[in-house]
Amino acid sequence: QVQLQQWGAGLLKPSETLSLTCAVYGGSFSDYYWSWIRQSPGKGLEWIGRVNHSGSTTYSPSLKSRVTILLDTSKNQLSLKLSSVTAADTAVYFCARGPGDSCFWDWGQGTLVTVS
Amino acid sequence: QSVLTQPPSASGTPGQRVTISCSGSSSNIGSHYVYWYQQLPGTAPKLLIYRNNQRPSGVPDRFSGSKSGTSASLAISGLRSEDESDYYCAAWDDSMSGQVVFGGGTKLTVL
Repeated sequence: QVQLQQWGAGLLKPSETLSLTCAVYGGSFSDYYWSWIRQSPGKGLEWIGRVNHSGSTTYSPSLKSRVTILLDTSKNQLSLKLSSVTAADTAVYFCARGPGDSCFWDWGQGTLVTVS
Repeated sequence: QSVLTQPPSASGTPGQRVTISCSGSSSNIGSHYVYWYQQLPGTAPKLLIYRNNQRPSGVPDRFSGSKSGTSASLAISGLRSEDESDYYCAAWDDSMSGQVVFGGGTKLTVL
């Protein structure tokens, strides 16, 4: 059973860079897509982007200019960087694993990031 | 404004059958699978239905999904109090080099 455990700074100032890490336990990177998804307080889910096992990325058009998602297979870790944050980036951020499409079988526990 | 449209709320009494709709377009639901997620308060979403109408192991058969054209539906029969939750639909969208799009979510209340 794969487990995704995530961490990162929970409080940022405007213009800083958000940085989160998601560690993968009990699973392989091969044949999966690894995504970041966020949820603003009281709002719905928003897909940020994804990376596959070979490092190929796809980003949400609305965030593309500020997002970097990387996979470190040597550490079994996924990372997210979001630059120039504003209050609008305040959200719970989730990492998630799936076979592709919009299918997410496994999720991290979520990390609340507040920009203030 | 979400790309996929869901009603913000739905309700039913125990034992009833409720349906939640998800409306999209030809670039998403019309040409790709639909997935449904259940999110209990304070927790990560959980995959409820995949590939339009398939249930992961462990999901009760009270939950079912369907798709027709550019719309999809989630049906919950024999409603139970523990079904009170937020439900989201999702699909891949071919616009702008491709992206995952979600519905705005439906809060289901069991009266």
